[in-house]
Amino acid sequence: EVQLVESGGVVVQPGGSLRLSCAASGFTFDDYTMHWVRQAPGKGLEWISLINWDGDSTSYADSVKGRFTISRDNSKNFLYLQMNSLTTDDTALYYCAKGRGAYSSAWYDYWGQGTLVTVSA
Amino acid sequence: QSVLTQPPSVSGAPGQRVTISCTGSSSNIGAGYDVHWYQQLPGTAPKLLIYGNSDRPSGVPDRFSGSKSGTSASLAITGLQAEDEADYYCQSYDSNLSVVFGGGTKLTVL
Repeated sequence: EVQLVESGGVVVQPGGSLRLSCAASGFTFDDYTMHWVRQAPGKGLEWISLINWDGDSTSYADSVKGRFTISRDNSKNFLYLQMNSLTTDDTALYYCAKGRGAYSSAWYDYWGQGTLVTVSA
Repeated sequence: QSVLTQPPSVSGAPGQRVTISCTGSSSNIGAGYDVHWYQQLPGTAPKLLIYGNSDRPSGVPDRFSGSKSGTSASLAITGLQAEDEADYYCQSYDSNLSVVFGGGTKLTVL
């Protein structure tokens, strides 16, 4: 059974940093591109970042470029999101999602349950 | 303002058919990129409903179907059931922005 379990979400002050983790199991982790998607309270889904199977290729939404860094450890089946210079606009539920299909036609067949990041003074 | 435009809400009575539109532009849907659909029940993570414009993952009832034409796509739900009450999101790729989602549509079963 495919499982994605996010962790690391906490309350953090504006300007602070945080690292989210996503533990993957039930599939061959290093066969797939992985993504982070977030959802602000009461709002829609926003794609944040992706990383290809071996970590050589990454991409970011303009809203987080230069502040967030995606990475993965295929030996441990973990996906990470390092978040720096956080603002209140980053307050959201952060999901990791398993990608399927080619880069420009990718979809998400499995999602984690999400981890909540709250940026507040 | 989402790159893909969806109606904020739709509604229908049990047993009826409803459709949810997803309108894009020449840099995303109109450029030929696939459209995918997700269902998000209250308090839960999104669930894949349709991929590749019209394909259903195993386990998704055939009451759900997807289509795409030009710069738009649609999700149709037939035989509406109370359990279908949820938020629905379309997703595609934009040549200027990468992965993009619609703003979401809240389906109410009357």
